[in-house]
Amino acid sequence: DVKVTQSSRYLVKRTGEKVFLECVQDMDHENMFWYRQDPGLGLRLIYFSYDVKMKEKGDIPEGYSVSREKKERFSLILESASTNQTSMYLCASSSQGREYYEQYFGPGTRLTVT
Amino acid sequence: EDKVVQSPLSLVVHEGDTVTLNCSYEVTNFRSLLWYKQEKKAPTFLFMLTSSGIEKKSGRLSSILDKKELSSILNITATQTGDSAIYLCAVEDAPGGSEKLVFGKGTKLTVNP
Repeated sequence: DVKVTQSSRYLVKRTGEKVFLECVQDMDHENMFWYRQDPGLGLRLIYFSYDVKMKEKGDIPEGYSVSREKKERFSLILESASTNQTSMYLCASSSQGREYYEQYFGPGTRLTVT
Repeated sequence: EDKVVQSPLSLVVHEGDTVTLNCSYEVTNFRSLLWYKQEKKAPTFLFMLTSSGIEKKSGRLSSILDKKELSSILNITATQTGDSAIYLCAVEDAPGGSEKLVFGKGTKLTVNP
């Protein structure tokens, strides 16, 4: 079974703090993704990566950065957290090729910025 | 601007009813349309549709794509309480060869006993 794990299920941070969200997958997938999900807005892509040390901006990259030093790990970084970054963050992974659409999601991290 | 619109946004039915969820899209370079089911945890993949008029089926769920109308429907027959979830539609767009998924806002389905 593919397993995608995220470092925290719930996180509360203060405005201005630097926040790290970690995601690890155990299926040797090349592709990894970070989304945020907000009520009424659906899933929105923040960043994705097709390979180690490679990253591409998604639809809403502002205020975020990412790091992919190892194939299995994809980190999302909030350099200076703000209240409008309070959200559910979902990490996903998929293999290359035509199966790439079958994304496997982690359980999500509910981040609250106060 | 790329967009994916789902309707209705929410739906409440009784067990045994049949429901139809809609998804329409406008993207630059359509490749495929995907349906996901999201319960309390992360979304799970249901279907991928690439060709118009070909129905995909999995148990009580089925889906079909209409490229002429730029839309898709997801049907659930004989609904059960376990079908209660948010159903997400996503479209694979590939502008300039770089693929991405554009998600709709989801339809929240509640099936009452």
